[in-house]
Amino acid sequence: AQSVTQPDIHITVSEGASLELRCNYSYGATPYLFWYVQSPGQGLQLLLKYFSGDTLVQGIKGFEAEFKRSQSSFNLRKPSVHWSDAAEYFCAVVQGGYNKLIFGAGTRLAVHP
Amino acid sequence: DGGITQSPKYLFRKEGQNVTLSCEQNLNHDAMYWYRQDPGQGLRLIYYSQIVNDFQKGDIAEGYSVSREKKESFPLTVTSAQKNPTAFYLCASSMKAGDEAFFGQGTRLTVV
Repeated sequence: AQSVTQPDIHITVSEGASLELRCNYSYGATPYLFWYVQSPGQGLQLLLKYFSGDTLVQGIKGFEAEFKRSQSSFNLRKPSVHWSDAAEYFCAVVQGGYNKLIFGAGTRLAVHP
Repeated sequence: DGGITQSPKYLFRKEGQNVTLSCEQNLNHDAMYWYRQDPGQGLRLIYYSQIVNDFQKGDIAEGYSVSREKKESFPLTVTSAQKNPTAFYLCASSMKAGDEAFFGQGTRLTVV
């Protein structure tokens, strides 16, 4: 079965520092890949998605992600973190053939002033 | 405004009672999903529907039931067979299965 792994449960960065959140998936073909963000007690908001084409995708709020087939990864990056970026981030993948959207366990980001 | 509405935001029930969570969308999306969220476990798929009058079990369907009689509605019933129903429940929809999903604000269910 397809799975999504986010190795980091919690990450703390200083405001203004760069950020990289890791995501690995297990699937033979090229999946559809997503990053979502969730504020406490709220629903999820889509940051960006990758379906095909350019492997570096730009999203909202200054985020970007790079699809690396050789590493089965889709890491999320931001060059300079703002305090308002503190939230939980989820990587997700569509399981082909079933059209199920499967999520990783999430990474909780804390931002120090 | 188009979107997904989940109601109520907070729900309390006694153990052994069935409870139905509402999810309505006016985005004209074909696919709808129900997820359960517990701390440290991410979102786990309960049921999903790719089209009206059709739905499939997700990874943790036991103790839950759904219906999809209308395109805009996908209610979830948490039955007394669900051993640990206290959780945050999220409903989502997408234009078609496999597209980006749009989420409601969630319902926090507490069973006492």
